[in-house]
Amino acid sequence: EAQVTQNPRYLITVTGKKLTVTCSQNMNHEYMSWYRQDPGLGLRQIYYSMNVEVTDKGDVPEGYKVSRKEKRNFPLILESPSPNQTSLYFCASSQVRGEKLFFGSGTQLSVL
Amino acid sequence: SQQGEEDPQALSIQEGENATMNCSYKTSINNLQWYRQNSGRGLVHLILIRSNEREKHSGRLRVTLDTSKKSSSLLITASRAADTASYFCATAGGNNRLAFGKGNQVVVIP
Repeated sequence: EAQVTQNPRYLITVTGKKLTVTCSQNMNHEYMSWYRQDPGLGLRQIYYSMNVEVTDKGDVPEGYKVSRKEKRNFPLILESPSPNQTSLYFCASSQVRGEKLFFGSGTQLSVL
Repeated sequence: SQQGEEDPQALSIQEGENATMNCSYKTSINNLQWYRQNSGRGLVHLILIRSNEREKHSGRLRVTLDTSKKSSSLLITASRAADTASYFCATAGGNNRLAFGKGNQVVVIP
């Protein structure tokens, strides 16, 4: 089954404790992206990747890192999480940028 | 801003009725897409319409695109309780960067 798998689904952490949210897709997609969703603000892009070893900033990249060492994986790293990063996070992928996106189930992150 | 804006922001209808949502945007686009989100879950792609298309159908969904007015509409016919969700439009501009609107909430009352 074609899918984007994100883990974990829920995460509660404390300020400053490094964390990683994993994302994997099984569709051989070149394009992958991370979004955060906040009430009243819609979906905002954090980082995206056009292919292996090619990543770029989205609209709200501050406080986040990503890597794309393999085509299928695109982890999101918060080196020193802060409470303003409490949000619902989505990973998504598509064969080509700007075309149909496949979304993961989301990760609800709370930073205390 | 390329970001689409959905209208109305909230819609409540009876099961069996049609639901219509609109999306307006400000810059030229390559395509416009509609997505559905059920209570905090991942978005699901519904339909994509390209800038040279005017209308597209998929099952009970009908999407129109008017590039002269920079607007699109999504029609869901014969709505069902399972259609209760948030609906987002997303526009792909010249650089193919996808920008999402803030979404609108549709409630279908059984």
